[in-house]
Amino acid sequence: ILNVEQSPQSLHVQEGDSTNFTCSFPSSNFYALHWYRWETAKSPEALFVMTLNGDEKKKGRISATLNTKEGYSYLYIKGSQPEDSATYLCAQTHNTNAGKSTFGDGTTLTVKP
Amino acid sequence: DVKVTQSSRYLVKRTGEKVFLECVQDMDHENMFWYRQDPGLGLRLIYFSYDVKMKEKGDIPEGYSVSREKKERFSLILESASTNQTSMYLCASVGDNYGYTFGSGTRLTVV
Repeated sequence: ILNVEQSPQSLHVQEGDSTNFTCSFPSSNFYALHWYRWETAKSPEALFVMTLNGDEKKKGRISATLNTKEGYSYLYIKGSQPEDSATYLCAQTHNTNAGKSTFGDGTTLTVKP
Repeated sequence: DVKVTQSSRYLVKRTGEKVFLECVQDMDHENMFWYRQDPGLGLRLIYFSYDVKMKEKGDIPEGYSVSREKKERFSLILESASTNQTSMYLCASVGDNYGYTFGSGTRLTVV
């Protein structure tokens, strides 16, 4: 079983703070790394998919980086807003089996106004 | 946009009942998955399917079975519902780049 680990488990920040989370994954058999945002009472929504070492993706105030050699990805949120409050999941797809991804347990972000 | 539709948002069933959770996707994806999500345990894979009539067990298949008779539909079956199967169930369809599109979830309560 491949383990994908996320830290911290939860995070509370003030509106306007910038923050970042970490996703660690086994570097063997790597195919892709995904980030999802999961808001309460909704389904997880895809943010980014990254496949190449050194990839960087950005969507508005949210960005992500990927290091496949050392097995980690960072998600950054600049100037957090209350609407950013959600659980952020990362998932690794390995190149062996039917597109199955292994999910981390998520980082739950709460942004206080 | 890819759409993954789960037939029920909330369900309440009695212990021992046979329960069917339906999931339909509209983008001709081959791979579909069923997860359950419980507080503090993240997403746990129950079963997945990579083609019609093809299925594989995930990490927690006990007490569940699945059916994939048509490409667009992947059903999760609780053969005899038990209270420890009270959970949020998420279906997902996987397309290019292996990105998941999730359904809105079914919150099942077994009493």
